[in-house]
Amino acid sequence: DVKVTQSSRYLVKRTGEKVFLECVQDMDHENMFWYRQDPGLGLRLIYFSYDVKMKEKGDIPEGYSVSREKKERFSLILESASTNQTSMYLCASSLPPGLAGGSKPYNEQFFGPGTRLTVL
Amino acid sequence: AQSVTQPDIHITVSEGASLELRCNYSYGATPYLFWYVQSPGQGLQLLLKYFSGDTLVQGIKGFEAEFKRSQSSFNLRKPSVHWSDAAEYFCAVGVRGGGNKLTFGTGTQLKVEL
Repeated sequence: DVKVTQSSRYLVKRTGEKVFLECVQDMDHENMFWYRQDPGLGLRLIYFSYDVKMKEKGDIPEGYSVSREKKERFSLILESASTNQTSMYLCASSLPPGLAGGSKPYNEQFFGPGTRLTVL
Repeated sequence: AQSVTQPDIHITVSEGASLELRCNYSYGATPYLFWYVQSPGQGLQLLLKYFSGDTLVQGIKGFEAEFKRSQSSFNLRKPSVHWSDAAEYFCAVGVRGGGNKLTFGTGTQLKVEL
């Protein structure tokens, strides 16, 4: 089974702190994603990485950065945490389009359990 | 840009009753469509997907969805709901050349009454 793990289920930080959220996948997937999930807003893409050291901004990248030094690990960084970054953060991974059988235009994203971050 | 609308924020059904969750998308061409489920305290799990071909797709846990191009819809259905189906359901859309990125709807919270 594909496994996506996130370093913490719950995290409490103070305003202004630098926060690292870690995500590790064990299926050798090229693509990795960071989303935040808020009630009434669904999932919104923060950043996307399509391979090691490759990254692309998603829909809401402001206040966040990412790091992908190894294929299995994708880190989300809050440079200076603010209260409006209190949220559930979900990591996902997938094969890129066209792999996993060659004919799939999209491949399933596998999600981690999430990290609920509270910024005080 | 593509978008997804899930008009129902909350739905309550009795166990054994049928279920339909609505999803409408906005995109100029045929999109790739997905339904994911999130059980309490869990990450999202793929229920089913539509790429092309037969517009009625079967998924896991007894769910199915029908793509209707004329209505820009991809509604999720189940003929008989079980208490364990209580969860949040997300519709998502991908587009050609989108690099496997998805745009998610706002979700529908399903409550099942025993």
